[in-house]
Amino acid sequence: DSGVTQTPKHLITATGQRVTLRCSPRSGDLSVYWYQQSLDQGLQFLIHYYNGEERAKGNILERFSAQQFPDLHSELNLSSLELGDSALYFCASSPQLGFNEQFFGPGTRLTVL
Amino acid sequence: EDQVTQSPEALRLQEGESSSLNCSYTVSGLRGLFWYRQDPGKGPEFLFTLYSAGEEKEKERLKATLTKKESFLHITAPKPEDSATYLCAVQASGGSYIPTFGRGTSLIVHP
Repeated sequence: DSGVTQTPKHLITATGQRVTLRCSPRSGDLSVYWYQQSLDQGLQFLIHYYNGEERAKGNILERFSAQQFPDLHSELNLSSLELGDSALYFCASSPQLGFNEQFFGPGTRLTVL
Repeated sequence: EDQVTQSPEALRLQEGESSSLNCSYTVSGLRGLFWYRQDPGKGPEFLFTLYSAGEEKEKERLKATLTKKESFLHITAPKPEDSATYLCAVQASGGSYIPTFGRGTSLIVHP
């Protein structure tokens, strides 16, 4: 158990809908990273927050957004969902900004029908 | 652009048959290289961080080594419970601190 929690574990929805994924980092970790993992793309970095501020963006679609709240939990919002958005979504946390290993949550499996 | 290539894509071993997984990288100055283990449908689990060429780290049947261009994950006398996908990631010393992940090696150990 990494200490990172994610909810929900599974999410099934229809195209065009909007969903919110939630992540709580390990106690004391200030950094939260979001990743998307699909069979054909591997682990793709989406966005990074540190202590409530957005610090880096990767291959994140404009339909996706995220935020980190004062209690350090983070939410990833996915809107206007398409079939291709079906994937595993992971969050990871680390203690500091920058260089260190990341601790991943169990993931949310999103299925768009 | 930082690149990480892992080989082989898939590896099948018999229990007790030792082998190595490879992670080749291209990065403008290596800050660190990470190995993770990922079980199907679960999040990656951190294994090792290597910082400089010549460094080695061990954990049970796993040993990770690092050169200037690649890293190896040696698995000695594997057991079926070692079956998983092993991911390698690199972090550059300059520019973005976001790690670049390889596609992984899927390892299956047969009893």
